[in-house]
Amino acid sequence: GENVEQHPSTLSVQEGDSAVIKCTYSDSASNYFPWYKQELGKGPQLIIDIRSNVGEKKDQRIAVTLNKTAKHFSLHITETQPEDSAVYFCAASIPGNQFYFGTGTSLTVIP
Amino acid sequence: GAVVSQHPSWVICKSGTSVKIECRSLDFQATTMFWYRQFPKQSLMLMATSNEGSKATYEQGVEKDKFLINHASLTLSTLTVTSAHPEDSSFYICSASGRAYEQYFGPGTRLTVT
Repeated sequence: GENVEQHPSTLSVQEGDSAVIKCTYSDSASNYFPWYKQELGKGPQLIIDIRSNVGEKKDQRIAVTLNKTAKHFSLHITETQPEDSAVYFCAASIPGNQFYFGTGTSLTVIP
Repeated sequence: GAVVSQHPSWVICKSGTSVKIECRSLDFQATTMFWYRQFPKQSLMLMATSNEGSKATYEQGVEKDKFLINHASLTLSTLTVTSAHPEDSSFYICSASGRAYEQYFGPGTRLTVT
């Protein structure tokens, strides 16, 4: 089955700096890659996703890039703010199948 | 759009009792619902997948007789933890998926078994 690895497990950045989280996957059939933000005691919230026919997608301060050849995708957060502090999960899936989640990255934005 | 609710948000029960958790998709029809369990500082562990009107498909190692899942309609799925024990204490999260790729998660239910 699919195996998703996520790095780093923890990340601290100064407010205003950029944060990058990287994930790799193993199954070349995976073609949907969402990113979730989870705040303490809450459920994950979908923040951005990308499909395999697209190399990059941006939504305001958040962007995701996908390299299908290398089987990796990354989340980029620019101009970080304290409210960006949370745990971020990547996932990979084949539509109609289950999601395979990464192990999570705890992001701390230092004011 | 794409709002998923869970009820209750937290529950404390005594060992040996059963607890039911509801998951509802509020503004879309969820053809598939998923139930996850999450331990502190860990990722989400898929417990089971349920399609409306069908029996749930459980992941390996998940006891189907202990974690009863019912997906009665396109907007409601329930997870019943039967004869709960302290080791069942955890954060349970549901998600719902419609016709598109996305999964939308509920806010989670914190279960504590004393």
